[in-house]
Amino acid sequence: QVQLQESGPGLVKPSQTLSLTCTVSGGSISSGSYYWSWIRQPAGKGLEWIGRIYTSGSTNYNPSLKSRVTISIDTSKNQFSLKLSSVTAADTAVYYCARTDRGSNFDYWGKGTLVTVSS
Amino acid sequence: DVQMTQSPSSLSASVGDRVTITCQASQDISNYLNWYQQKPGKAPKLLIYDASNLKTGVPSRFSGSGSGTDFTFTINSLQPEDVATYFCQQYENLPFTFGPGTNVDIK
Repeated sequence: QVQLQESGPGLVKPSQTLSLTCTVSGGSISSGSYYWSWIRQPAGKGLEWIGRIYTSGSTNYNPSLKSRVTISIDTSKNQFSLKLSSVTAADTAVYYCARTDRGSNFDYWGKGTLVTVSS
Repeated sequence: DVQMTQSPSSLSASVGDRVTITCQASQDISNYLNWYQQKPGKAPKLLIYDASNLKTGVPSRFSGSGSGTDFTFTINSLQPEDVATYFCQQYENLPFTFGPGTNVDIK
């Protein structure tokens, strides 16, 4: 059973860079034809897809965040990561990592981690 | 971006009722639509993919239909454990986009 776990600071100051890591267990991040995605959800609101990465390192980002987002993958550690620069209070949200089957179906999710942007 | 709308935004029904949620896309997305269930404080869970295919292990009381721009999600015989928010998600175009969600509660 694949499991994902987000980790990283829960509090980030405005204008700084948010950094999160997703650790995958129960299977190799390199096996199968899966993408790996980041999705966020502000409190009481809907879901926003941030971007995805393939095991080759190929990425796709949401254009609304593209100028500030970097997603990377470390197959040796079975991890992938999110960096979001120049954060503001609008970036406060629960951030989820998810395995992305067929490139588009989020079939396994982490539990989510709340990141608050505040000074 | 493809805009997704859902209706109703919330509903309350009795145990055993049939519940229907609709999702509309701003353009033709064929059958490239998923449905997710999110319980309070939990991550979403994929229930239906390709508009009508039930993910393995999901109870058969859940179903989906539709294509093009109009889609329907149905819970036959609502159970207490179905209290959740339900989201649709399109994947015909990047960026992937979600509907705003429908809160389902027990009357």
